[in-house]
Amino acid sequence: EIVLTQSPATLSLSPGERATLSCGASQTISNNYLAWYQHKPGLAPRPLIYGASTRATGIPDRFSGSVSGTDFTLTISRLEPEDFAVYYCQQYGSLPRTFGQGTKVEIK
Amino acid sequence: EVQLVESGGDLVQPGGSLRLSCVASGITFDKSGMSWFRQAPGKGLEWVANIHEDGNPKNYMDSVKGRFTVSRDNAKNSLYLQMNSLTADDTAVYYCARGRGWCDFWGQGTLVTVSS
Repeated sequence: EIVLTQSPATLSLSPGERATLSCGASQTISNNYLAWYQHKPGLAPRPLIYGASTRATGIPDRFSGSVSGTDFTLTISRLEPEDFAVYYCQQYGSLPRTFGQGTKVEIK
Repeated sequence: EVQLVESGGDLVQPGGSLRLSCVASGITFDKSGMSWFRQAPGKGLEWVANIHEDGNPKNYMDSVKGRFTVSRDNAKNSLYLQMNSLTADDTAVYYCARGRGWCDFWGQGTLVTVSS
């Protein structure tokens, strides 16, 4: 099973600032099959990125994903008020599908 | 507009059973692999099971193998999760989603509480 470790657990930032979220995999993820989701309480998770760096339909370009080896990064270039949420990475290169434990982006 | 609507969540005693349903609209359901996920109180997202558009193959997380069964009825645009031998660790909001890898559409979830 691939273990995903997200850091930091919590990111305290102000609107307009840049957010950098990390997701490290315990082993190589096939085809860089890693996705990022945004999740707010009571709502459905919202897909942001798939294939490590491809934005899902309708996702603004302030969200970007990158990869270096087994280290994946989600960057939000300038935080908007609606971006404060919990973010999860998920690998789908192998079974079982696994998630990181999440990074909470909170208003400073 | 795509909609995935889960139902069937309830309070159930340990050892009991429950069947969750997910009705899809706005997608070509019979061409869509589907997945179930869950989120326990205060915890993160967890993958539970997935199913191919044709009904096979099906895949499960280890802790639910032999207890949960994922199925679908393409004529009814519906996905199901039969859950047996439930324990407190199964308490969670359960989500259905389109896809067997990354999932592009998700429902809003249904709450399953296992408690005596």
